[in-house]
Amino acid sequence: KAGVTQTPRYLIKTRGQQVTLSCSPISGHRSVSWYQQTPGQGLQFLFEYFSETQRNKGNFPGRFSGRQFSNSRSEMNVSTLELGDSALYLCASSLDGTGILNTEAFFGQGTRLTVV
Amino acid sequence: AQTVTQSQPEMSVQEAETVTLSCTYDTSENNYYLFWYKQPPSRQMILVIRQEAYKQQNATENRFSVNFQKAAKSFSLKISDSQLGDTAMYFCAFMKPIVIQGAQKLVFGQGTRLTINP
Repeated sequence: KAGVTQTPRYLIKTRGQQVTLSCSPISGHRSVSWYQQTPGQGLQFLFEYFSETQRNKGNFPGRFSGRQFSNSRSEMNVSTLELGDSALYLCASSLDGTGILNTEAFFGQGTRLTVV
Repeated sequence: AQTVTQSQPEMSVQEAETVTLSCTYDTSENNYYLFWYKQPPSRQMILVIRQEAYKQQNATENRFSVNFQKAAKSFSLKISDSQLGDTAMYFCAFMKPIVIQGAQKLVFGQGTRLTINP
């Protein structure tokens, strides 16, 4: 069974540009969450999608957005990039049933975004 | 809002020793889930162990065990017979349970960098 796949693994962008990151969840998983990891702020929740609907959103500016497709694949977009957006972006998928086993989050290897 | 605190930024032990990583959290919820995740240099977060708050018995997974003190809001991880492959960042995380397909959200601590020396 394939794991969570994030593409691309590395990205270098210039300030002011926009970027789109992709996440393919484990087959059968319907929930996809995104996290930003930086040395200063640690791991912070960006948003979570289930059945193509955003169910929860963290405290990030509107430049950060996402979506989920009918096959559960998700993309996140960051517009008007700033230097502070440089981070490792992690995607996690889960079954999202009830009970602790169905909420276990499986993570991808992340996309390392560098803004110059 | 929930918060998770890991007070040990870095730890280092010799191979085969036992090490304990600390984690405290703050919540007004009565039922919740707690996790320890490992992030090796490859960057992929791997679940080490999970604990449901309403279960008094401490979770155990092979060499990994937790000491869950609900009243003290403490959730420490013990690694026995440590191995070189245990070298990684370790994150403690909190999640409110999904009752009726609610939203997933993990709240992470700042992490503890653990080094196992040969």
